[in-house]
Amino acid sequence: GDSVTQMEGPVTLSEEAFLTINCTYTATGYPSLFWYVQYPGEGLQLLLKATKADDKGSNKGFEATYRKETTSFHLEKGSVQVSDSAVYFCALSDTGRRALTFGSGTRLQVQP
Amino acid sequence: KAGVTQTPRYLIKTRGQQVTLSCSPISGHRSVSWYQQTPGQGLQFLFEYFSETQRNKGNFPGRFSGRQFSNSRSEMNVSTLELGDSALYLCASSFAGGDTGELFFGEGSRLTVL
Repeated sequence: GDSVTQMEGPVTLSEEAFLTINCTYTATGYPSLFWYVQYPGEGLQLLLKATKADDKGSNKGFEATYRKETTSFHLEKGSVQVSDSAVYFCALSDTGRRALTFGSGTRLQVQP
Repeated sequence: KAGVTQTPRYLIKTRGQQVTLSCSPISGHRSVSWYQQTPGQGLQFLFEYFSETQRNKGNFPGRFSGRQFSNSRSEMNVSTLELGDSALYLCASSFAGGDTGELFFGEGSRLTVL
């Protein structure tokens, strides 16, 4: 079945550091890929998405590229801020399934 | 416009009881999905409804059920509660479903089973 594997957290960075959160997936069809973010006490919010191979999703300085050859969708940001502290979830939606399969989440802590 | 609203936000039940959680989607959204979030299992898909029909179901026992009303509001029910049902239950809505569209999540209903 479908699965998503994320790097274990927590990830602790200083403000303005470069961020990479690794995500790899297994799917039987042609999935769409997502990054969701959960701030403390809130529900999940879509951060970015990519629907086909080589697509790059971007939002709020975050980027991720859909790499079919390596089945990866790594999240990157060039300069993190304290306000980026949250839990980040990689997810996929396989063809026609109408449901998201989530990774385990990676907690990011950014220190001033 | 108003976001996804879930009620109640917090509740405590004892083993063997049943619970009903409610979700009001964003106006105009016809798809409602439910997810269970626990520290051990992470986020797991429960079911998805579209126009009052269940279109997809996750791998949960029959104690977990749901329904959707004509105004797209949805409820989920868990009967004969077990300690392991303690979790944050998240509802998400979208216009057409989770294939490529964005899901909008509520803040969740946190259930504690004693």
